[in-house]
Amino acid sequence: GEDVEQSLFLSVREGDSSVINCTYTDSSSTYLYWYKQEPGAGLQLLTYIFSNMDMKQDQRLTVLLNKKDKHLSLRIADTQTGDSAIYFCAESIDNQGGKLIFGQGTELSVKP
Amino acid sequence: KAGVTQTPRYLIKTRGQQVTLSCSPISGHRSVSWYQQTPGQGLQFLFEYFSETQRNKGNFPGRFSGRQFSNSRSEMNVSTLELGDSALYLCASSLTGGSGANVLTFGAGSRLTVL
Repeated sequence: GEDVEQSLFLSVREGDSSVINCTYTDSSSTYLYWYKQEPGAGLQLLTYIFSNMDMKQDQRLTVLLNKKDKHLSLRIADTQTGDSAIYFCAESIDNQGGKLIFGQGTELSVKP
Repeated sequence: KAGVTQTPRYLIKTRGQQVTLSCSPISGHRSVSWYQQTPGQGLQFLFEYFSETQRNKGNFPGRFSGRQFSNSRSEMNVSTLELGDSALYLCASSLTGGSGANVLTFGAGSRLTVL
């Protein structure tokens, strides 16, 4: 079945690295995504990774994918107070078009 | 380039009423998807429209319906509202939603409160 799990909360100090973890169950996932949601706003795509890749880096963001363990992580380097938000991982399944399966979201709190 | 526009942003209805929400996708995007976001259930896929046809459907009752117009604008309708329908309804558009990375651009959402 399709299921995506995330821890609910993470608190870090400004300047530290944040690591948000996600596990998924569907082995037919094609792409995995990270979205950010700030209060009162929709979801903003941060980055995505093809399921055959191990790692993707984009400025302060590093995505690691362990396909064998179905584990995805998002590392934010030099975390800033402006990074405080809810982070969602999501998977897409081949031939499912616009359907994404989202995790519950991880609320990141960055303390100065 | 204008983003995804959802109207209205906020609305209050009473049980038993019906509601229509509107979504204007990014120009050139032909796929529009709808999601329901609640604190208890999180983000759940409602349906997706592409070229005026429903291409995918989530696990929601028939009270939830949608359509897409020839200009790719989409509407969703919820009939016979229940308290549990209170949620943030998010619309997302993408170029095709076909194979390859499905890069969805989300609107700010329509927050529905059912009293």
